[in-house]
Amino acid sequence: RKEVEQDPGPFNVPEGATVAFNCTYSNSASQSFFWYRQDCRKEPKLLMSVYSSGNEDGRFTAQLNRASQYISLLIRDSKLSDSATYLCAVNGNTGNQFYFGTGTSLTVIP
Amino acid sequence: DAMVIQNPRYQVTQFGKPVTLSCSQTLNHNVMYWYQQKSSQAPKLLFHYYDKDFNNEADTPDNFQSRRPNTSFCFLDIRSPGLGDAAMYLCATSRDLGRNQPQHFGDGTRLSIL
Repeated sequence: RKEVEQDPGPFNVPEGATVAFNCTYSNSASQSFFWYRQDCRKEPKLLMSVYSSGNEDGRFTAQLNRASQYISLLIRDSKLSDSATYLCAVNGNTGNQFYFGTGTSLTVIP
Repeated sequence: DAMVIQNPRYQVTQFGKPVTLSCSQTLNHNVMYWYQQKSSQAPKLLFHYYDKDFNNEADTPDNFQSRRPNTSFCFLDIRSPGLGDAAMYLCATSRDLGRNQPQHFGDGTRLSIL
């Protein structure tokens, strides 16, 4: 079983829509969770950390569900510039391992 | 201002010809990582340094080596590149290991093998 799994998509949504991605992780002892954004042929860029109580940054909301071992990312009022691949990242129980999902592709359509 | 800098952005080498990729950081972070990312795949951790302590992932081929001569620089050496080693190579840093330590990536080096 993979450490981290994501639905690869693609998600094609109209501008202004709300879209949500999930990411499941296999190690129940994982401590830290992150969402990254990766544009085509570019490096991953940190979008936000995911805190136990959930956190929001503008149009973006991240949540953690430890019982079901998944994290989610919600994007409200989608913009064309949100089109990218969204990668989740989870660190292992020692903190030394850092596992990425394969990413979920999002295209926001005018 | 770029804080994790990788050189070169694009590297072409011949099958079997050694190649070195470079990474430098201005963040003074303790940890530096090297990842390999192939098209439509997750970044795959090759190894990381915590200060001078080298940590190799179990499935990283022996063909891949790394050096960290000082805090700021880290190199990835591919001794005998094969066609399967063509990929984007990403360097990342984090302040420390453990909880809530996000990684910050350089622009990557895209390696092609002829």
